Amino acid sequence: SQQGEEDPQALSIQEGENATMNCSYKTSINNLQWYRQNSGRGLVHLILIRSNEREKHSGRLRVTLDTSKKSSSLLITASRAADTASYFCATDAGDTQGGSEKLVFGKGTKLTVNP
Amino acid sequence: DAGVTQSPTHLIKTRGQHVTLRCSPISGHKSVSWYQQVLGQGPQFIFQYYEKEERGRGNFPDRFSARQFPNYSSELNVNALLLGDSALYLCASSLVQTQYFGPGTRLLVL
Repeated sequence: SQQGEEDPQALSIQEGENATMNCSYKTSINNLQWYRQNSGRGLVHLILIRSNEREKHSGRLRVTLDTSKKSSSLLITASRAADTASYFCATDAGDTQGGSEKLVFGKGTKLTVNP
Repeated sequence: DAGVTQSPTHLIKTRGQHVTLRCSPISGHKSVSWYQQVLGQGPQFIFQYYEKEERGRGNFPDRFSARQFPNYSSELNVNALLLGDSALYLCASSLVQTQYFGPGTRLLVL
């Protein structure tokens, strides 16, 4: 079953605007990661935020984590057409059985940035 | 450094056949995980291997199996293919926590 749920399912904006995507999850986590996927190809790792962190930045990306609400957000500032992709959050679900690093993904947010 | 590589990139099989997918991790990574992604969904965890031992298994039937070799590369095998096995199969390798994904193998079962 899917642990994370991204919101919205689809988002269309103009170049230069900011894009915000949200992710909610159900169980306790050790960390949460965001990935980007272009046109059904492999996933590109964007950022990892640990459960004891509240905010993290990487270039034009800003991720927040609220463990009390079991939610995270990804903000892309000054978006570009090249940011058009699907974005997924993934949690480790706090799974320590046998040391598994199993990631649990949501269904993703499809972002379209119009030139 | 080369990233995670997977082969083949595309594959077409018919129902009942068997398929083997291959993955080479990033140099130095000892952990390999496999995920299945059907159209419109997020990836679903199938297996994780670390140092040739299975560390985790997702909710997939016994038709799915995998193994990891001494050089840390891995194979995913699927027997008795069903139409519903059509998907993008993703391999990821990791050193510590962050998983790096390959480009995937797109499998179509007719």
